[in-house]
Amino acid sequence: TQLLKQSPQFLSIQEGENLTVYCNSSSVFSSLQWYRQEPGEGPVLLVTVVTGGEVKKLKRLTFQFGDARKDSSLHITAAQPGDTGLYLCAGARPGNTGKLIFGQGTTLQVKP
Amino acid sequence: NAGVTQTPKFQVLKTGQSMTLQCAQDMNHEYMSWYRQDPGMGLRLIHYSVGAGITDQGEVPNGYNVSRSTTEDFPLRLLSAAPSQTSVYFCASSYSKPLWGYTFGSGTRLTVV
Repeated sequence: TQLLKQSPQFLSIQEGENLTVYCNSSSVFSSLQWYRQEPGEGPVLLVTVVTGGEVKKLKRLTFQFGDARKDSSLHITAAQPGDTGLYLCAGARPGNTGKLIFGQGTTLQVKP
Repeated sequence: NAGVTQTPKFQVLKTGQSMTLQCAQDMNHEYMSWYRQDPGMGLRLIHYSVGAGITDQGEVPNGYNVSRSTTEDFPLRLLSAAPSQTSVYFCASSYSKPLWGYTFGSGTRLTVV
């Protein structure tokens, strides 16, 4: 059973388009993180959100944590080929912050 | 800083062989974890540790052992390799509570034939 479900699993878009990736769960998380992974490398942390309703921006990327702390979204504005990669959400359950559980990932391809 | 160092980068094992994947971090992080990554499955937690001498099981612990005798090192042992353990293995570390996100190593690609 996947505790964190990401959608869509695959996304292929043209440069300049906007996109949103969703990370959903029926469980509450004390924090939720987003990572980006390139082929042959380990995931790299993009952002951590900890407060329900929190919104964080990283250049053209906007991250939101749901009010109930059960879901999150990643929105990319005007996608560029350099945004291509695997995007992973990961959550820490309350009371057990040593155990970080990942979603299955969203593969994004941005074509020039 | 070296960050999180994993060795080896590539390994081929025969079914039934045992081996240890090494992981070391130089950031004085308390939390360390091992994940495996398979196509379409994201990262699945094998074992994790919240400090030296303390380990616990993750989502897929069967066939793997860990120990944490020092803060820096967190080796993963495959007791008797099986083809189902063919995967890419990642080690990661983090500061203690709250969990602000892991720093990952570059991975070990393991093939069991």
